[in-house]
Formats: sequence, C-alpha cells, structure tokens
Amino acid sequence: NAGVTQTPKFRILKIGQSMTLQCTQDMNHNYMYWYRQDPGMGLKLIYYSVGAGITDKGEVPNGYNVSRSTTEDFPLRLELAAPSQTSVYFCASSYGGRALIGSYEQYFGPGTRLTVT
Amino acid sequence: GQQVMQIPQYQHVQEGEDFTTYCNSSTTLSNIQWYKQRPGGHPVFLIQLVKSGEVKKQKRLTFQFGEAKKNSSLHITATQTTDVGTYFCAGRSGGANNLFFGTGTRLTVIP
Repeated sequence: NAGVTQTPKFRILKIGQSMTLQCTQDMNHNYMYWYRQDPGMGLKLIYYSVGAGITDKGEVPNGYNVSRSTTEDFPLRLELAAPSQTSVYFCASSYGGRALIGSYEQYFGPGTRLTVT
Repeated sequence: GQQVMQIPQYQHVQEGEDFTTYCNSSTTLSNIQWYKQRPGGHPVFLIQLVKSGEVKKQKRLTFQFGEAKKNSSLHITATQTTDVGTYFCAGRSGGANNLFFGTGTRLTVIP
C-alpha cells in the first residue's frame, strides 16, 4: 500500500493564481481530511469528508474548496491565492464507520509546501 | 471555541534524560490522540486515550489522560536521538465533529 499520497511536493504561486492540491489514499478509508500547518504551529483542519459526495467545513475553510467524487481522491482547490495561504498542507485519511471525526487514527500524506508571493 | 494548549513549546535534553510534554484543553475531551512529526516529515499516530485516568505505555513512552479528561501528558524515559521531533496532542470534545491539534512540543536531544 502506498498509503496517502499528495502532489505536488512543492509549489510557488503568485497572488491571485489558483491551483489544486491532489490527495489519494489506497486504504479504502471513508474519512479524509485537509490540514494546514503554519511554521511552529499545530495543524488546523480546513475541510473534511466522511465519504464520497459528502464534505464539510473545518476550522479554517475560507479561501478553499474541496470535492469528493470517489473514495480514493480528495482534492483541495485554492482560488485567488493570498500570502496568508503560504503553509504546508497535509492530507490525511482514517477509518470512519459512524463515528465522529477524530475518533480513529489518522494517516497523513507527506505534505505539500506552498508559497504564495 | 475549543482550544488545546501544549507546554513547553521547546525542550532540549541531554540524551538519557527524561522528557515530558503536557496538553491542556479548555473543554472536556471525548478522546485524545498523540502524534509525532520528525523534522521535515508528516505527523505519525502514536496512541489514542479514551477513558478518564487512562495510562498507556509504549516501550519508553508513557501516556496519561487526566481524570477530568481535560489534560494529558506524554513522558519519555531515557531519551534517545531517535526521539527528536515535534509531539502533538489532538483532542475532540463532546459531539464536535472536529479534532483540535495542540501547538506541539519540539524535542531536541543532545548526544
């Protein structure tokens, strides 16, 4: 199993540009998550999904959009990039069942380091 | 809103010394998870605690969940250079469908 994979590893965007961060998992997990990690800080939840076709906002959703058309994929879209979105973005997945998110071990991808200038 | 605080923010220890990081929540937690992130890496799950007063051990690591389920600690005995990294706690409270991460404790082990 590859686990959780993310592309690209690094990206530099100009202010106002858009991009999609890709995330794929091969563990057949229902739950998937997007986090951002600013330097010296913890992770903040941007969006999450409990299954294909179902997404919901986390703690810091402004400036981002997500979709979940398949169990495996959970892309994160940045529209009109701003310097405040400079961060490391982690995708994660977990088993879900009927539990609330945060009830099971999360598996993280390697991250995408994004700089907006 | 819910907040999960961790102290200390940084800790430097000599190899062989013990290390403890503390996690405190402003609200009662349903469960707490601990993750380790090596420099330049991604968070890796260590353990989950669910019960009030629960204590779990993994070799040299001891995890505790407070009686009131508002705090937790991770203690490492006789640190090794392989313990270097940032340790995060993450908690969920009540019916909240969210997991809040602490700010982490960065551990440096001096050989």
